[in-house]
Formats: sequence, C-alpha cells, structure tokens
Amino acid sequence: TQLLEQSPQFLSIQEGENLTVYCNSSSVFSSLQWYRQEPGEGPVLLVTVVTGGEVKKLKRLTFQFGDARKDSSLHITAAQPGDTGLYLCAEIKATNKLIFGTGTLLAVQP
Amino acid sequence: EPEVTQTPSHQVTQMGQEVILRCVPISNHLYFYWYRQILGQKVEFLVSFYNNEISEKSEIFDDQFSVERPDGSNFTLKIRSTKLEDSAMYFCASSEALILAGGYEQYFGPGTRLTVT
Repeated sequence: TQLLEQSPQFLSIQEGENLTVYCNSSSVFSSLQWYRQEPGEGPVLLVTVVTGGEVKKLKRLTFQFGDARKDSSLHITAAQPGDTGLYLCAEIKATNKLIFGTGTLLAVQP
Repeated sequence: EPEVTQTPSHQVTQMGQEVILRCVPISNHLYFYWYRQILGQKVEFLVSFYNNEISEKSEIFDDQFSVERPDGSNFTLKIRSTKLEDSAMYFCASSEALILAGGYEQYFGPGTRLTVT
C-alpha cells in the first residue's frame, strides 16, 4: 500500500515568513495534487503536477514535483494569516481515486 | 460558482442505526465519490460511482455501506448498521471527467460530521 508522508505535521510561523512543506511517497506518483482544507470545509484543489521536475506557481505558492516523481514540495513566500489551513498532497490514480497524504497543519500568526 | 452540497452538516446516531448521508453534486458532473476523515487522521477514499454503478471501492467500503443516485441530482451514502468507528467527517466529491481525459479536478462538499454514540 502506497504511503504519502507529509512533513512537518504542524507548522506555526509569523506573518511574512517563508515556509516549505514536503510530501514523500514510498513509490512513484502518477499525478500529484495539492489541496488546502479549512476547518469545516472540504479540501480545495490548489494545483496538479504531472511531469517529473515540474514547477508551478500560484501567486505566493510554488509547487515542485521531484525529478523521480516520488516527492513534492510546496513553498509559500511571505505567508499571510489567510494561508492558515491543512495542506494535503494526494496522488490521483487513473480511476480518479485520490490517495491523500497525512497533511501539514499550518498556522500563520499575525 | 457551482458547488457540491451535503446534508445534514452534523448527524448524531446510535450504534446499530441506519444513516443516510446526502449529497448534491455539481449538475454537469458525471463522476461521484465519497471520502471519510476520522478525527486526526487522513482523508480516505471510500467509493467512486459512474453511470449508476460503483467504479471502485476501498476495503473500508464493506457490506454495511451502499451508495445510490436515486434521482438526477442526489447522491447518497447509506450505512446500514453504524458502529462507533464509523464516526468521522464524510465528504462527497464530484468531477466532470476522469483525470486522464484532461485533468479535471474533484470538487468536494463541506462534509457531514457523523457521530455514532
């Protein structure tokens, strides 16, 4: 069974700081997605990465997919309180089944 | 913007009772999913549904679980005889197509919190 480990589990930082969270797999990803989940809501898709080495940017968020497609990172520049939430990576299978990672809970203090 | 809706937002039930969780997917979507998230644990896939059939189900989705699309809009998850360990957030999701057909995302509902006492 594939395991998606995310690190760190928890992260509390001050507004304006930069941070990186990681997602590592025990096997090669087919396609990888990053989601953000806020309390009382379902996950919301941020990005999909497909190709090894791919880098995608979404405003202050930068997503990298490892060359070997077994790891991915999410970097946030100048974090804001509105970035607070649970960040989830997920592998999406060809059948559209999502296998979620363990999650990183981010708290950005004003 | 279209969204997936779920009712109720919170359901409390006694062990052994049947519960039905309801979802209204986005209207032009063809693929439907249920996931669950036990408190403090990761989101887990339960089942996917397409063309009025289950496409795939996980080991969690045993005989106590069933899904149905009773009309053109609702998508339901039934748990026949609830157990304490069924307590979790249940998320419904829908997508327009399969990922291989163009990378369509799954849109998640806000979830139903099920508490089994």
